[in-house]
Amino acid sequence: AQSVAQPEDQVNVAEGNPLTVKCTYSVSGNPYLFWYVQYPNRGLQFLLKYITGDNLVKGSYGFEAEFNKSQTSFHLKKPSALVSDSALYFCAAGGRRALTFGSGTRLQVQP
Amino acid sequence: SAVISQKPSRDICQRGTSLTIQCQVDSQVTMMFWYRQQPGQSLTLIATANQGSEATYESGFVIDKFPISRPNLTFSTLTVSNMSPEDSSIYLCSVSRREFSYNEQFFGPGTRLTVL
Repeated sequence: AQSVAQPEDQVNVAEGNPLTVKCTYSVSGNPYLFWYVQYPNRGLQFLLKYITGDNLVKGSYGFEAEFNKSQTSFHLKKPSALVSDSALYFCAAGGRRALTFGSGTRLQVQP
Repeated sequence: SAVISQKPSRDICQRGTSLTIQCQVDSQVTMMFWYRQQPGQSLTLIATANQGSEATYESGFVIDKFPISRPNLTFSTLTVSNMSPEDSSIYLCSVSRREFSYNEQFFGPGTRLTVL
């Protein structure tokens, strides 16, 4: 069975600083990996995905993620955080039927 | 992407009653899913809604408790039956245009259910 781990419940970063939200995965076969963001009282929004190819994936709102096969990681990054990036972030792996989600990481960007 | 709406957006229900949640997509999609997000937790897949046949349920979820319908390629319903306070969650509908696991899913805004 596949699994996704997000080791940090919360990440705090100052506005303008780079941010990283960590994700590791365990899947058999080729990994299909996704990042979603959930703002308060709203559904999940798709940010980006990795299927194959370039290990650095660029997505919405200036976010990017780096796929590292040897470390089985897919960390979400942004060069300069905004207060409006404060939200709940989920890493997920594509499976036979649907997505397997990590536990989520709350990102708090302080002004 | 796809535009997905859910009704109701929230509800407060009494123990022992049932609630039906509707999910409407603005275009035809291959796959429709129902997830549950319990307070402060991640998303758990309840079932895959199959058009014209019975839904495919994940371990721990049964049809008697969560009956699902999908009459066409743009609409599905999830019923939460004989509710208890433990059913208080956000219920999310999601869709994917194709059935391959590398296709992203798009989520509805969710239905926040509180059971008293």
